[in-house]
Amino acid sequence: SQTIHQWPATLVQPVGSPLSLECTVEGTSNPNLYWYRQAAGRGLQLLFYSVGIGQISSEVPQNLSASRPQDRQFILSSKKLLLSDSGFYLCAWSVLGLGVETQYFGPGTRLLVL
Amino acid sequence: GENVEQHPSTLSVQEGDSAVIKCTYSDSASNYFPWYKQELGKGPQLIIDIRSNVGEKKDQRIAVTLNKTAKHFSLHITETQPEDSAVYFCAASIDQTGANNLFFGTGTRLTVIP
Repeated sequence: SQTIHQWPATLVQPVGSPLSLECTVEGTSNPNLYWYRQAAGRGLQLLFYSVGIGQISSEVPQNLSASRPQDRQFILSSKKLLLSDSGFYLCAWSVLGLGVETQYFGPGTRLLVL
Repeated sequence: GENVEQHPSTLSVQEGDSAVIKCTYSDSASNYFPWYKQELGKGPQLIIDIRSNVGEKKDQRIAVTLNKTAKHFSLHITETQPEDSAVYFCAASIDQTGANNLFFGTGTRLTVIP
């Protein structure tokens, strides 16, 4: 069966520091991968998605970036964090099935920027 | 782009009663509608989904209905239990090659009162 991992689970970082969040998927090949951010008490905002190694599409321009160095690895990064980057970051994966892809979410990383 | 609206934002029901959450979408091309349940501090979990070629789908105490003409879909939970308490998100997407961008509603916080 497929599983998705995210780490760290929680992170407290000072403003201006760099960020690296990692997501890995097991049990599937060539998944589509997604990064979402969820602000406190709000819905999910799609940040990036990737359909393959090295292929990244950005949905929201900001100081975050994403990379996909391996088929089942997706990394969210920032060179300098802002206070507004605080939130709950969720990675998701999907594979094509019945013509429409169902997305499955990881456990999330809670980021607090101080 | 697609716009998904979700109501109500909060819902409290007595244990054993039914709960209904409604969503509307704007893009008539949308053809896939998943529902996610998110417990505190965790990632969203898919609970049920429906595709545009059916009008209703049921899984034990959970059902989803879709009205493509009116562009709305609803989640129905019968015989609610305290463990149903969570935030529920609806989403809509368009089947497309490469990636499946989900557009989420803003969530409904359901509280089941014992």
